[in-house]
Amino acid sequence: NAGVTQTPKFQVLKTGQSMTLQCAQDMNHEYMSWYRQDPGMGLRLIHYSVGAGITDQGEVPNGYNVSRSTTEDFPLRLLSAAPSQTSVYFCASSSAWGQPQHFGDGTRLSIL
Amino acid sequence: KQEVTQIPAALSVPEGENLVLNCSFTDSAIYNLQWFRQDPGKGLTSLLLIQSSQREQTSGRLNASLDKSSGRSTLYIAASQPGDSATYLCAVLTGANSKLTFGKGITLSVRP
Repeated sequence: NAGVTQTPKFQVLKTGQSMTLQCAQDMNHEYMSWYRQDPGMGLRLIHYSVGAGITDQGEVPNGYNVSRSTTEDFPLRLLSAAPSQTSVYFCASSSAWGQPQHFGDGTRLSIL
Repeated sequence: KQEVTQIPAALSVPEGENLVLNCSFTDSAIYNLQWFRQDPGKGLTSLLLIQSSQREQTSGRLNASLDKSSGRSTLYIAASQPGDSATYLCAVLTGANSKLTFGKGITLSVRP
């Protein structure tokens, strides 16, 4: 029972590079979200999706893109990495709005 | 803008103590409140979810209460154990989307 799977677990990038953080869930959940967790800041919502083909911005969307072509996958793209994007990124899903969210184990991203 | 506060940031107690973790929020127009547990290097695990119409929820040694009008929730842990050591976060769901607002968490250490 995989739940929410995030890859990679760790990544180091250079400033200006681009990359995609992968998130997949096998629970047929409609709602998926991306958060970043920074010391002293708590978790902040980057982007979210209420279903395939539908995405919207959260609290801190700048520098990130998302798409939702399937129910299972919700990748997060960093367009041009900056040191300020060094963080731990979490993907979460829920069966419907208002239901408990299930989190992946996170991707730890360092940008030099 | 919704703000969620958890004080203190860290707590250390001897094994066996009953303890209460506090969470406060500024906007009482919430849909629900969730308590999560986060172990070091891991994602968040949902512990309890209280709907806005409910007063409390219980799961094993955990009991969460909600006083929406005063903007407060408490997580009660009975007979604490070293395995309860983790960071506990509360989050409130506000608005017609999956926007969770998180507190910064309370790091609990239960000493044997």
